[in-house]
Amino acid sequence: GQNIDQPTEMTATEGAIVQINCTYQTSGFNGLFWYQQHAGEAPTFLSYNVLDGLEEKGRFSSFLSRSKGYSYLLLKELQMKDSASYLCAVFPPGAGNKLTFGGGTRVLVKP
Amino acid sequence: GAVVSQHPSWVICKSGTSVKIECRSLDFQATTMFWYRQFPKQSLMLMATSNEGSKATYEQGVEKDKFLINHASLTLSTLTVTSAHPEDSSFYICSAQYRDRGGEQYFGPGTRLTVT
Repeated sequence: GQNIDQPTEMTATEGAIVQINCTYQTSGFNGLFWYQQHAGEAPTFLSYNVLDGLEEKGRFSSFLSRSKGYSYLLLKELQMKDSASYLCAVFPPGAGNKLTFGGGTRVLVKP
Repeated sequence: GAVVSQHPSWVICKSGTSVKIECRSLDFQATTMFWYRQFPKQSLMLMATSNEGSKATYEQGVEKDKFLINHASLTLSTLTVTSAHPEDSSFYICSAQYRDRGGEQYFGPGTRLTVT
């Protein structure tokens, strides 16, 4: 089966750093995605991790440990526009390329 | 880039009519496209998986005769909501899997459907 857990909500201050954790238990693994979704809009692609380690893209970084079934998304120098839901999704093999999504983490950035 | 477009971005239709939504990958070829539905403050719900030149695979509970999917080319998939009812009002989002980037999937901007 597929099970993906991430916190429901997080609050942080503008300029700070927030780390959103995602743990997964899936039957196989082909990669893990992070998406950002603002209210009323479609998700936008942030990162795709296939191998262990940290990938940095500007203010956003994503980390993966396949042995631990664990990933995190790190948001640095938070801006008000970063207030959104962040979706963790796993790409298991043999699922017809379907993604399995976590419930999403709503991040609220306060001034 | 990896841009996915959807058309229309919003549509209002009367109950009983049909609505067609287009999903296009603008700058890449997509092996597979996916159709999702999302109600307010809820998670994305996968409706079906669409592969070019073959029949779509529908998720359990999704009526294939009501939600017709056609995947005409490696850059275009369409979803037709037939005989729409108010309960079909939702945010419909497609995603496309980038053929030359392994499993990377990119979402379109979504189509907001309101059935009156």
